[in-house]
Amino acid sequence: AQRVTQPEKLLSVFKGAPVELKCNYSYSGSPELFWYVQYSRQRLQLLLRHISRESIKGFTADLNKGETSFHLKKPFAQEEDSAMYYCALSVPGGYQKVTFGTGTKLQVIP
Amino acid sequence: DTGVSQDPRHKITKRGQNVTFRCDPISEHNRLYWYRQTLGQGPEFLTYFQNEAQLEKSRLLSDRFSAERPKGSFSTLEIQRTEQGDSAMYLCASSFVEAGFAGELFFGEGSRLTVL
Repeated sequence: AQRVTQPEKLLSVFKGAPVELKCNYSYSGSPELFWYVQYSRQRLQLLLRHISRESIKGFTADLNKGETSFHLKKPFAQEEDSAMYYCALSVPGGYQKVTFGTGTKLQVIP
Repeated sequence: DTGVSQDPRHKITKRGQNVTFRCDPISEHNRLYWYRQTLGQGPEFLTYFQNEAQLEKSRLLSDRFSAERPKGSFSTLEIQRTEQGDSAMYLCASSFVEAGFAGELFFGEGSRLTVL
């Protein structure tokens, strides 16, 4: 079964410090991976997809198949990055069910 | 199109009552998901539809839960004989599935259920 693990419930960093939100998945093939973000009082929204290979709001994520990881990184945290971040996985080619991790709350300290 | 809309936004009910939630997806989207979210947890998969066909229902879901998507447009999620453990935020999302990829999910604001 596909599974997503986010080991940290809370990550606190100072403004300007680097950020790394960890995500590990269990799937033996080539999954489709996402990071979703939920800002305070807003709906859940897509931050980035691995197949797009783009940087959104300074965030990047690299798929490491050997370590089955898809960590989210940003070199310099901003206060507006404070939010809940969810890693999600889908298995291409089948029914593409999207499974979410439990989320990490990022708190950027001014 | 204003995006995915859910109704009601908040429902308070007594244990044992039935409740129904409605989701209106983005019109051109062919995929619709229902998730449940409790405090401190990520969205937990409940069920999903491709057009009007229900593809899968979570094995964690009891028979008290049922969902429909008639004509492949809006969807309803009904919970019968509610229990206090059903208290949660119920999220709906829609997407356009193409070429075997899930694509971006667009979420509604959710329907919060409180069972007294």
